[in-house]
Amino acid sequence: QKEVEQNSGPLSVPEGAIASLNCTYSDRGSQSFFWYRQYSGKSPELIMSIYSNGDKEDGRFTAQLNKASQYVSLLIRDSQPSDSATYLCAFKAAGNKLTFGGGTRVLVKP
Amino acid sequence: DGGITQSPKYLFRKEGQNVTLSCEQNLNHDAMYWYRQDPGQGLRLIYYSQIVNDFQKGDIAEGYSVSREKKESFPLTVTSAQKNPTAFYLCASSIAGAGGRNEQFFGPGTRLTVL
Repeated sequence: QKEVEQNSGPLSVPEGAIASLNCTYSDRGSQSFFWYRQYSGKSPELIMSIYSNGDKEDGRFTAQLNKASQYVSLLIRDSQPSDSATYLCAFKAAGNKLTFGGGTRVLVKP
Repeated sequence: DGGITQSPKYLFRKEGQNVTLSCEQNLNHDAMYWYRQDPGQGLRLIYYSQIVNDFQKGDIAEGYSVSREKKESFPLTVTSAQKNPTAFYLCASSIAGAGGRNEQFFGPGTRLTVL
């Protein structure tokens, strides 16, 4: 079993709709979780951090964490074509390292 | 402006050559990291350093070497022992501390191609 599992996609979303991305992880001791956005050919950009169970909202983004079920999700409301990118989830593992998933590619269609 | 710079943006290497990728940050972060990304893949950790003059191997350190002589700089050398070095190389930094949350911020990356 991989440490971090993400559906590779592509996740096709109509403009204005909600994009829902999921990520499951295997390390029950993880305390910090992150979502990065990566445009094609560019480096990852941190868009959300979440540390406790529940929801965290930042603009059109909402991260949801459920440690008991070992998953973290990202909702993108009112999706725009500029949201088309690959979204990487990551969690803080032992030794102060991050472990990354393979990413979910999102395509927002006008 | 605070940030992380990487150079060069593109690098071409001949078989058998060692090449060094530069990473500099002015965020006053203690920890720095090197990742490798292959097409359609996630990030894999090569080396990381949480303090000057100290560094640890990541998951795929073979064929790579690093140094951390200054807080601001963490260069990566891709040696001839790395058999498949063509990839996108990303440097990141964060505030260190095992108890910290470790938000990592990335530089723009170096794309290395072996000819």
